[in-house]
Amino acid sequence: NAGVTQTPKFQVLKTGQSMTLQCAQDMNHNSMYWYRQDPGMGLRLIYYSASEGTTDKGEVPNGYNVSRLNKREFSLRLESAAPSQTSVYFCASSEGNTPDTQYFGPGTRLTVL
Amino acid sequence: QKEVEQNSGPLSVPEGAIASLNCTYSDRGSQSFFWYRQYSGKSPELIMFIYSNGDKEDGRFTAQLNKASQYVSLLIRDSQPSDSATYLCAPYEGNYQLIWGAGTKLIIKP
Repeated sequence: NAGVTQTPKFQVLKTGQSMTLQCAQDMNHNSMYWYRQDPGMGLRLIYYSASEGTTDKGEVPNGYNVSRLNKREFSLRLESAAPSQTSVYFCASSEGNTPDTQYFGPGTRLTVL
Repeated sequence: QKEVEQNSGPLSVPEGAIASLNCTYSDRGSQSFFWYRQYSGKSPELIMFIYSNGDKEDGRFTAQLNKASQYVSLLIRDSQPSDSATYLCAPYEGNYQLIWGAGTKLIIKP
């Protein structure tokens, strides 16, 4: 039981390049989330998927797209990376009930030059 | 704009003492409150949540909630060096979303 897994762990991009961050969970959770965490700031929600087949914008969705591929997988795509997207990205999942504990993956540290 | 305020710290506490971490929030509609711990370079992990006014205890951890004052706290008894981490407060605002504080860095000194 791996919980929430993310790939890659580290990535360096040049401005304008694109990439996809992958996330998978094996807990049969309904809801999945993508956050970014910048130094001195709280986690900020980029997108979430309340259930398979649905996605919604969070607090900071600009510059990102997501795909809920199936119940297990939720990917985050940067179409044209910018230095402002340098951050640590966390994927999380939850059962989708209230109150709802979120379980986090190990994170991806992304640097955009 | 819904806000969560935490003292960024660092809060330094001697080993064996009680560490007290505080959080205030602006959304009066928040009903559930989560405390997460985050070690440096790692992902957040749940410590506990509380949704009723008063105290909730789990081992060495006690969460305290006062909805009228919009205040939630976390007490850590018999603090250990392994408790050194950043503690994140997160009220649940509904619609599957948590509002995250920036966290308080706690240092337990042996």
